[in-house]
Amino acid sequence: DAMVIQNPRYQVTQFGKPVTLSCSQTLNHNVMYWYQQKSSQAPKLLFHYYDKDFNNEADTPDNFQSRRPNTSFCFLDIRSPGLGDAAMYLCATSRDKGVNTEAFFGQGTRLTVV
Amino acid sequence: GENVEQHPSTLSVQEGDSAVIKCTYSDSASNYFPWYKQELGKGPQLIIDIRSNVGEKKDQRIAVTLNKTAKHFSLHITETQPEDSAVYFCAVESPSNYQLIWGAGTKLIIKP
Repeated sequence: DAMVIQNPRYQVTQFGKPVTLSCSQTLNHNVMYWYQQKSSQAPKLLFHYYDKDFNNEADTPDNFQSRRPNTSFCFLDIRSPGLGDAAMYLCATSRDKGVNTEAFFGQGTRLTVV
Repeated sequence: GENVEQHPSTLSVQEGDSAVIKCTYSDSASNYFPWYKQELGKGPQLIIDIRSNVGEKKDQRIAVTLNKTAKHFSLHITETQPEDSAVYFCAVESPSNYQLIWGAGTKLIIKP
């Protein structure tokens, strides 16, 4: 059974039109992460939540925002998608940080910007 | 900060042969080293990990070895099968903020 679920699997959005990607987890993990992955590259961490505490990476553009309304759900909002934001977006969870840090990934959402 | 290098970028092996992928890291305080397998169009999947208190860990055809002195760790896949074809990423947990620092990935091709 899928433990980290991302919806939709494929998303097409227009240049400049806000888009939201969603992630849910059944693991009751404290930490939820959003990564961006472009073709043939390693995942790049955008930000993460440790419980309700939001942690933004220094080089994450302001165009990217996130919400975590409860333990199970986390959303990635792209306010004005550009062509360069086309990528696979991966959600991951881990039970904790420092210990029990095994990360579980969802299947990803492939974002296309037209 | 932590720096992770992964080699080779592409590895092609005959089905049934072994495959070895190597990673080096820079921060000697790092303690957690996972390996992820990513199939085309899917998210990364943890296949094996090792902590710094052991030198080797095995799980069926997959093993990871860690040399803390030299600051490198390797993934070993024996008796390779077509379903092993994927991109493999090593990662190192940063001891300062617990984030994963990723290697660049290795595309493993299993030739029939």
